[in-house]
Amino acid sequence: DTEVTQTPKHLVMGMTNKKSLKCEQHMGHRAMYWYKQKAKKPPELMFVYSYEKLSINESVPSRFSPECPNSSLLNLHLHALQPEDSALYLCASSQDFGRGRVETQYFGPGTRLLVL
Amino acid sequence: GENVEQHPSTLSVQEGDSAVIKCTYSDSASNYFPWYKQELGKRPQLIIDIRSNVGEKKDQRIAVTLNKTAKHFSLHITETQPEDSAVYFCAASPYNNNDMRFGAGTRLTVKP
Repeated sequence: DTEVTQTPKHLVMGMTNKKSLKCEQHMGHRAMYWYKQKAKKPPELMFVYSYEKLSINESVPSRFSPECPNSSLLNLHLHALQPEDSALYLCASSQDFGRGRVETQYFGPGTRLLVL
Repeated sequence: GENVEQHPSTLSVQEGDSAVIKCTYSDSASNYFPWYKQELGKRPQLIIDIRSNVGEKKDQRIAVTLNKTAKHFSLHITETQPEDSAVYFCAASPYNNNDMRFGAGTRLTVKP
């Protein structure tokens, strides 16, 4: 399996809702990422997990809460979001960096989120 | 942190012509430079990458060059085809963590 999968594909939520985005990979990768991508903009890094531990948090608001239950799964829990959080949320995975070598990141198809 | 600049923001070429997209980066610790192609509504897909110990890499119609001294790298697409139309992103990643930064993107249109 050489793919990163994400569910759901689309999500509409109100500002008081709680929802979760899910990401899965079975490539044996030990680094997993969440990115946010607004229309006509590049992906912006949100979180990085390395060996199931949070290694990078790009000052993301606490209404976004990541979780890495195991090396194949990555969740993003959403609570009390704002309309400006509407975007495409991309998950990616890679072999972890090490020995001075950074590895290629492979992206999932994304979840298109609309906050009303 | 790393800052990646990408030019041009839009590029229109005739089918069969070449296209060149250029990026500069700021962090001398960056040593991995991938290029992603993103079609409308789809995921970014890696098309080619280069590491700092290499100056040039080619894969069929696509090539990437890297000048570490000047901190810039470029994507070259030859014999462009309409299916090459997409947004292309360059990125840079340091050797010691997974903090990859993207350029702003180039919208390439190949006219038949």
